[in-house]
Amino acid sequence: NAGVTQTPKFQVLKTGQSMTLQCAQDMNHEYMSWYRQDPGMGLRLIHYSVGAGITDQGEVPNGYNVSRSTTEDFPLRLLSAAPSQTSVYFCASSLQTGISGNTIYFGEGSWLTVV
Amino acid sequence: AQSVTQLDSHVSVSEGTPVLLRCNYSSSYSPSLFWYVQHPNKGLQLLLKYTSAATLVKGINGFEAEFKKSETSFHLTKPSAHMSDAAEYFCVVKGAGYALNFGKGTSLLVTP
Repeated sequence: NAGVTQTPKFQVLKTGQSMTLQCAQDMNHEYMSWYRQDPGMGLRLIHYSVGAGITDQGEVPNGYNVSRSTTEDFPLRLLSAAPSQTSVYFCASSLQTGISGNTIYFGEGSWLTVV
Repeated sequence: AQSVTQLDSHVSVSEGTPVLLRCNYSSSYSPSLFWYVQHPNKGLQLLLKYTSAATLVKGINGFEAEFKKSETSFHLTKPSAHMSDAAEYFCVVKGAGYALNFGKGTSLLVTP
């Protein structure tokens, strides 16, 4: 059982380039989400999904795009990378969100630098 | 809306002494509360969670937290710090919505 798997772990991009951060989970979780972590800011929600075909915006969605074609995968796309998107990105998943207290599992993070 | 405030951005303790990491929450209804730990360059690991059962919650690695509704607090404690406890700790609240609201983190330093 691999849990939540993120790739790549490290990436350097040039301003204006696009790329996709991959996230996959093998726990049949309905809920998946992407967070970014910046120093002194905690984690902030970018986008989330409550099931295949359903996505919604979080707190900081601008500059990012997501899709959920399968239960297992939830890729995050940077459309035109900017230095402000330099951050550590975490993917997370959990069972039904309507049940409070379901443990949320995090991937190990993707370190992205935009130059 | 739900939010958490971690009262200390940095805490330093000596090995073998108690640890106290403070967290206050704001929620319009009974929240679910979590503590996560993040070691350098690693992902987040769940330490413990409160989901309206027992107010004293025991977690992994000897950590525990007490939910105090009257004080809107969920402080994390450990009787005796170990060098391996040095990490960033996040208090997190989850309400009826889908998002987790993270505190800004407390960096725990453990000195020999």
